[in-house]
Amino acid sequence: GENVEQHPSTLSVQEGDSAVIKCTYSDSASNYFPWYKQELGKGPQLIIDIRSNVGEKKDQRIAVTLNKTAKHFSLHITETQPEDSAVYFCAAYHFRSGTSYGKLTFGQGTILTVHP
Amino acid sequence: DADVTQTPRNRITKTGKRIMLECSQTKGHDRMYWYRQDPGLGLRLIYYSFDVKDINKGEISDGYSVSRQAQAKFSLSLESAIPNQTALYFCATSDWGGNYEQFFGPGTRLTVL
Repeated sequence: GENVEQHPSTLSVQEGDSAVIKCTYSDSASNYFPWYKQELGKGPQLIIDIRSNVGEKKDQRIAVTLNKTAKHFSLHITETQPEDSAVYFCAAYHFRSGTSYGKLTFGQGTILTVHP
Repeated sequence: DADVTQTPRNRITKTGKRIMLECSQTKGHDRMYWYRQDPGLGLRLIYYSFDVKDINKGEISDGYSVSRQAQAKFSLSLESAIPNQTALYFCATSDWGGNYEQFFGPGTRLTVL
């Protein structure tokens, strides 16, 4: 099955700095890579995603890059703010063998702390 | 997300007890999932269902069972709870087709003593 590794497990930055979280995946057939943000006491919520036919996607201060050859993808947050403090999860979507159904495998999570 | 609700939000129980966690959604999605979250391990899939008649084991299904009572309801049961099932449990839903986004409930914190 798919295996997703996420690093670092914790990341501490000063407000205004950039933050980068990296993930690698094992199944070359995976074709969709979302990033979820989990605030304290809440369920994860999608913040950005990228499909395998695209190398980079931006949405205001956040961006995701994908390197299919190396099987890794990264989340970039620029001009970080205290409200960016949360747990971030990457994931890879892969299909069940012989079917058109698929499921997500998540990374281990990164606790991001942005200091004012 | 208020469209996905979980009950109870917190539960403390004892070893050997049977526990049911319930999930309801008003998003009209066919696909529903149960995940478990542990520190340093991320979100791990327990069971998933692509429609009312479809139930599939995830990567950590041992010790758990599920019931899909209707399109909108998906319950997770621990037949005989043990302390290492202490965790945060999330239900999620997604639409069919090419939209893979999953919508998560607020979670249930379960403690097994």
